[in-house]
Amino acid sequence: DGGITQSPKYLFRKEGQNVTLSCEQNLNHDAMYWYRQDPGQGLRLIYYSQIVNDFQKGDIAEGYSVSREKKESFPLTVTSAQKNPTAFYLCASSPNLFGQGNTFGSGTRLTVV
Amino acid sequence: AQKITQTQPGMFVQEKEAVTLDCTYDTSDPSYGLFWYKQPSSGEMIFLIYQGSYDQQNATEGRYSLNFQKARKSANLVISASQLGDSAMYFCAMREASGTYKYIFGTGTRLKVLA
Repeated sequence: DGGITQSPKYLFRKEGQNVTLSCEQNLNHDAMYWYRQDPGQGLRLIYYSQIVNDFQKGDIAEGYSVSREKKESFPLTVTSAQKNPTAFYLCASSPNLFGQGNTFGSGTRLTVV
Repeated sequence: AQKITQTQPGMFVQEKEAVTLDCTYDTSDPSYGLFWYKQPSSGEMIFLIYQGSYDQQNATEGRYSLNFQKARKSANLVISASQLGDSAMYFCAMREASGTYKYIFGTGTRLKVLA
């Protein structure tokens, strides 16, 4: 079955460390996204990519970095510059069709210890 | 600027009854899409329904329908014949047709279906 795989499901990070969240899709979708979800704030866009080797900052990109070397993969690195990284991170993808909703992964819960 | 507003943080509904979840939006783009997603306690977001700004009829998908009132800039989700499995967070989202793939989400409404 086609879908999006996020790993790991839970991740613990010490302060000052960089960590990378994995996102892989086998849906042949062009666009991929990273969202951050905090309680009571809905989803906020971190980065998105419309094609391979191209990506744009979302609303809260500071302290995060991404790459899109392959169509299937869009990893997110949470750097030590991100002051409050504890959150639930969701990866999504969508085809190049305006009326199609995002398909989401099951998320990664990151906790700073 | 784009904005999505969901004013109901939580809702209760009796099983088998219908419920309406409110969503208002703001955009200056004449072409846009409106989406609803369901997030169960497992965390995964599930796409439910889509309404295009130029669609003449309200969208329907099974027990879900979207009450689209363009002049009021509202896109309310109606769930008919509620089931216990409908208990979840529901998010309204919008995407403008201005060439990017950027979506904006509301803060969500938590729905609890009572037996």
